[in-house]
Amino acid sequence: GAVVSQHPSWVICKSGTSVKIECRSLDFQATTMFWYRQFPKQSLMLMATSNEGSKATYEQGVEKDKFLINHASLTLSTLTVTSAHPEDSSFYICSARDMREALLDTQYFGPGTRLTVL
Amino acid sequence: AQKVTQAQTEISVVEKEDVTLDCVYETRDTTYYLFWYKQPPSGELVFLIRRNSFDEQNEISGRYSWNFQKSTSSFNFTITASQVVDSAVYFCALSEAIAAGNKLTFGGGTRVLVKP
Repeated sequence: GAVVSQHPSWVICKSGTSVKIECRSLDFQATTMFWYRQFPKQSLMLMATSNEGSKATYEQGVEKDKFLINHASLTLSTLTVTSAHPEDSSFYICSARDMREALLDTQYFGPGTRLTVL
Repeated sequence: AQKVTQAQTEISVVEKEDVTLDCVYETRDTTYYLFWYKQPPSGELVFLIRRNSFDEQNEISGRYSWNFQKSTSSFNFTITASQVVDSAVYFCALSEAIAAGNKLTFGGGTRVLVKP
């Protein structure tokens, strides 16, 4: 149980284009999902908290117009990197909390999406 | 503000050796959760354990064991009789009470390399 998928697993795009990454909870419902960014050999940095049916909450320093988040259903959140530039190249990871475990606070992570912007 | 420190950036051991990963945390909350995650080379974070602040019992799961010491704000992780498949980056993380938004604060990670 508690499986989270991400699609695509890797993507290469040209500078200036937009890229959408999907995060799905496969066997549970998640009112809250999280998006992280991880640079090589570094820890995870929380970008934003995605709440189903409401606006995402962004961490300080993260541009909300650049990283658009949509959490339209209890099993799907999307992150769109708009007008991507080489500095946006990174490993993006999502996580989801099982709403049945709201008090237990465990986040289950997707496999990540490696974005390379040329 | 909460903080998690994993002082060891990299540990190299030979197969069958035991390895202990240190984790020290800071929080002002009395209610919080501590976690350990494993990130193998594939990149996916694998949930290993959750411990709440009111439960100081140590836990053992197969070759894995955890030592929670509230008095020293530490939550250390030991792999007994390490295997090559244990090679990964291990992250310790802290989540404060629900009111704080359930955000996870990660430590910097410890890379474990198990040599055959």
